[in-house]
Amino acid sequence: DAGVTQSPTHLIKTRGQQVTLRCSPKSGHDTVSWYQQALGQGPQFIFQYYEEEERQRGNFPDRFSGHQFPNYSSELNVNALLLGDSALYLCASSLVIGRGNSGANVLTFGAGSRLTVL
Amino acid sequence: AQSVTQLDSQVPVFEEAPVELRCNYSSSVSVYLFWYVQYPNQGLQLLLKYLSGSTLVESINGFEAEFNKSQTSFHLRKPSVHISDTAEYFCAVQGSTLGRLYFGRGTQLTVWP
Repeated sequence: DAGVTQSPTHLIKTRGQQVTLRCSPKSGHDTVSWYQQALGQGPQFIFQYYEEEERQRGNFPDRFSGHQFPNYSSELNVNALLLGDSALYLCASSLVIGRGNSGANVLTFGAGSRLTVL
Repeated sequence: AQSVTQLDSQVPVFEEAPVELRCNYSSSVSVYLFWYVQYPNQGLQLLLKYLSGSTLVESINGFEAEFNKSQTSFHLRKPSVHISDTAEYFCAVQGSTLGRLYFGRGTQLTVWP
């Protein structure tokens, strides 16, 4: 059973460029979340997609945008790259336990895409 | 909003020694709690979780954590560590339905022979 897959694994960009990162969720999962992990820090929530819509968003500027496709896969786009955008970008998929009323959002993470901005 | 504090950024221990990685959280609502482990150049792997029920939860590789609501803590323990346990450990809290995870800054556990 394939878990969460992300591509590319590594990439290097220069300031001002744009980047697109891709994620395929674990089979059976319908919700995708993106996290940014800077060096030496814990992951920070960027946004979450469900039913092809952005459902929640963290404290990130509009330069960060995303998309979810009908097959539940997702993309993260970052425009006008800054040096501070250098980080490991983690995609996580989930299926809520007890969906409908309340439940935990148990995440399965991919290996990440490491972005270096020069 | 929720927040997580991992009190130790680095914990060095010798092989076969016991270890405790501390985690405290802040939340005004009921929470779900998680520990994730990250090996070098890899993503996060779920180690264990507290959703409800027994406050003591265990992983398949000998780690355990206890949810203490009065002290708002979820410390991770292992009675005897192995070199292969060397990794970064992250505590995380989720406080709402379908909610985001709030992570601590992580604790680097290094096991020496």
